[in-house]
Amino acid sequence: SAVISQKPSRDICQRGTSLTIQCQVDSQVTMMFWYRQQPGQSLTLIATANQGSEATYESGFVIDKFPISRPNLTFSTLTVSNMSPEDSSIYLCSVEVMGRGTEAFFGQGTRLTVV
Amino acid sequence: AQTVTQSQPEMSVQEAETVTLSCTYDTSESDYYLFWYKQPPSRQMILVIRQEAYKQQNATENRFSVNFQKAAKSFSLKISDSQLGDAAMYFCAYRSAIEGNTGKLIFGQGTTLQVKP
Repeated sequence: SAVISQKPSRDICQRGTSLTIQCQVDSQVTMMFWYRQQPGQSLTLIATANQGSEATYESGFVIDKFPISRPNLTFSTLTVSNMSPEDSSIYLCSVEVMGRGTEAFFGQGTRLTVV
Repeated sequence: AQTVTQSQPEMSVQEAETVTLSCTYDTSESDYYLFWYKQPPSRQMILVIRQEAYKQQNATENRFSVNFQKAAKSFSLKISDSQLGDAAMYFCAYRSAIEGNTGKLIFGQGTTLQVKP
């Protein structure tokens, strides 16, 4: 299986500031995704992180608010910009790994609280 | 667009008993994958079981099995001999198998399972 290190595990931030979340994987990754899970809710895809190019965003999510980088196969960052209390959620990194087909592996998530 | 629906927000089961969680989905695609994920309070998403749509045989993983009804677009999860450690939120998820698809997962709303000792 793949081991995904996601940092920070939690943070409390002031509104108007930005937070960058890191995702590091110990295996060769084919696909990398960022999901948001609002309190008590399901997971919603924010974007697909593409290596060396701009991420592919889902409807309702924009690059200015959620800039994503993926400089290599095993590392990505998600920034939550100009935060408001509505951004309080769990943010999860997910990957598909070479040789493991369609099984998705998840990081432990970042619990973000905006005050 | 594909959708996944879990109509049971909460379920409870007595330890050692059997419980079935329901999931329906909608898609126009013929080839896809379906998954059940478990999310305990630790937030870690854990794959419970996977089903390929082209396979008629229902997937089984130890105490976990599915009832996959492709025509009805139904994908229920049966947990046998329930254990206290099974208590968690369970998500049904869909993934397209079409070549070139990004591999993104579409999740249902989730079902919180309580296991009573």
